[in-house]
Amino acid sequence: AQSVTQPDIHITVSEGASLELRCNYSYGATPYLFWYVQSPGQGLQLLLKYFSGDTLVQGIKGFEAEFKRSQSSFNLRKPSVHWSDAAEYFCAVALTGGFKTIFGAGTRLFVKA
Amino acid sequence: GAVVSQHPSWVICKSGTSVKIECRSLDFQATTMFWYRQFPKQSLMLMATSNEGSKATYEQGVEKDKFLINHASLTLSTLTVTSAHPEDSSFYICSARGRGGNTGELFFGEGSRLTVL
Repeated sequence: AQSVTQPDIHITVSEGASLELRCNYSYGATPYLFWYVQSPGQGLQLLLKYFSGDTLVQGIKGFEAEFKRSQSSFNLRKPSVHWSDAAEYFCAVALTGGFKTIFGAGTRLFVKA
Repeated sequence: GAVVSQHPSWVICKSGTSVKIECRSLDFQATTMFWYRQFPKQSLMLMATSNEGSKATYEQGVEKDKFLINHASLTLSTLTVTSAHPEDSSFYICSARGRGGNTGELFFGEGSRLTVL
């Protein structure tokens, strides 16, 4: 069965420090991959997506993610975190065909001054 | 980018009543909409897939008669929680995929928080 794993329930980083959020997926083929961010009580906003081509994708707000087929991973990175980045981050996989999207459990990011 | 709007943003109702949540695509035609449920501090759980003009496809374990979904037009899908009970209290989020959208990207509504007393 398809699944998305975000091994870190929460992460705390200092403002200005670098960030990496982990995501692994299980799927028979290469799916479409996404990272979404959710602020408390809000809907989700797309940060970036990967469909094919260059395995390093750039997103909004200075985020980037790298698709590694051999590791079935799609980790999210940011070189310098801002306090406004504190939120919940979801990795998601869209299955080909029906494009049903499966979400990971989420990683809550805390940013300390 | 594409905009999806949900209404109401929050609703409080008495146990036993029915509540309707609307999901509208404001600037594109949404052939497919998805309804998710999110419990506090948890991920999104897909409830059903709604295709315009046809019956919704429900995920395993989701009661069709409890959560009525209608997708009567290319810009509107509704979720009706019938005979709501406190355990139905949750954050409901809709998302839409546009016509011709073959990349799987979803556009999300702001969410609707339902509290059943």
